[in-house]
Amino acid sequence: GAGVSQSPSNKVTEKGKDVELRCDPISGHTALYWYRQRLGQGLEFLIYFQGNSAPDKSGLPSDRFSAERTGESVSTLTIQRTQQEDSAVYLCASSLGQTTNSPLHFGNGTRLTVT
Amino acid sequence: GENVEQHPSTLSVQEGDSAVIKCTYSDSASNYFPWYKQELGKRPQLIIDIRSNVGEKKDQRIAVTLNKTAKHFSLHITETQPEDSAVYFCAAGQAGTALIFGKGTTLSVSS
Repeated sequence: GAGVSQSPSNKVTEKGKDVELRCDPISGHTALYWYRQRLGQGLEFLIYFQGNSAPDKSGLPSDRFSAERTGESVSTLTIQRTQQEDSAVYLCASSLGQTTNSPLHFGNGTRLTVT
Repeated sequence: GENVEQHPSTLSVQEGDSAVIKCTYSDSASNYFPWYKQELGKRPQLIIDIRSNVGEKKDQRIAVTLNKTAKHFSLHITETQPEDSAVYFCAAGQAGTALIFGKGTTLSVSS
């Protein structure tokens, strides 16, 4: 498809379990972002990948959160030992970015519910 | 790192009125300032952006102004319509760094 694809669209998990969220960026986009959006809240920056540079992990809220991206392709966000406060929509976005700013294109998000 | 403050958090206007949303940023190196609209249950979508080499940009009923000296930028919507009701997010950043968003403004336009 032409847009950013995220899977799963919904995930319900029990407290303490690990979850893995996937993001397929738009082909050719070198920049990839993960944001967290709690219900009725803003877009909280988590992590930013730019090409083969070291990722900016400054937004990750704890060491239970990690993300990987191989080259300029798929990214996975992993949350270990999930807690109820992790419940949110996790949005992925990609952009052409590197030497110039370009608009972010968002996926539809993964709605994570921790019970 | 960059920090973006956005005001107001909620804004209610009558159809046909104008709406203004203001943002301030902290990093003087930021040079890209987009605005996103998020309708209920949907993904954020870009509505307009401005780069630091211009002070104002317009697209039909939407305009954005930038004051680099004061480090603030604003979104102006004229002749508001019910379909403008949504959450609006400002953001700031520069090439090669993360784009940081404000906390959002919920705009309600009543007819």
